[in-house]
Amino acid sequence: DTAVSQTPKYLVTQMGNDKSIKCEQNLGHDTMYWYKQDSKKFLKIMFSYNNKELIINETVPNRFSPKSPDKAHLNLHINSLELGDSAVYFCASSQDLGNSPLHFGNGTRLTVT
Amino acid sequence: GNSVTQMEGPVTLSEEAFLTINCTYTATGYPSLFWYVQYPGEGLQLLLKATKADDKGSNKGFEATYRKETTSFHLEKGSVQVSDSAVYFCALSSARQLTFGSGTQLTVLP
Repeated sequence: DTAVSQTPKYLVTQMGNDKSIKCEQNLGHDTMYWYKQDSKKFLKIMFSYNNKELIINETVPNRFSPKSPDKAHLNLHINSLELGDSAVYFCASSQDLGNSPLHFGNGTRLTVT
Repeated sequence: GNSVTQMEGPVTLSEEAFLTINCTYTATGYPSLFWYVQYPGEGLQLLLKATKADDKGSNKGFEATYRKETTSFHLEKGSVQVSDSAVYFCALSSARQLTFGSGTQLTVLP
């Protein structure tokens, strides 16, 4: 019955590898997001999708590519991983792009060695 | 552009102490204001919200009042518990943009 679920919870990989993080929401929301949280807990929006359409694409390296096969899923693929990509990545969803509150997944802790 | 400034942490309190975490904002238009809480190892959860001036959001003993004149939305709780230890984020939503503050780490000691 988890509202926003993301997998895997932990991801340890070497520099140069390609990895994906999956996210699914069962809330019927129209909008989904990817956030990056650094070691100081600072949250940075990376992408948002509304009804499978890319809405926000902040300044992130083009090694990061989101994919939304349907409005309940938003996956994040990362190519050529770098040490600086180590962080916790959160998926979130909201009912719409207005003032609706966000529902977050429990995060994926990515460690690049 | 929009911005949120919240007091820097970490904040350490004894159980049953009074808590205030300050939050001020700048925004165009009439934003909605939120407090989110992040417990260790989890994602953020909505704690409370207020959508217009003078609204008071409340939940789990926490309160915050939307003050347009001072552009503030300070979080308060009269008596904190050890289980309130978490990171608290102030946020605003305006013109389809959500802006988070930098987070305040709260530790409550027994």
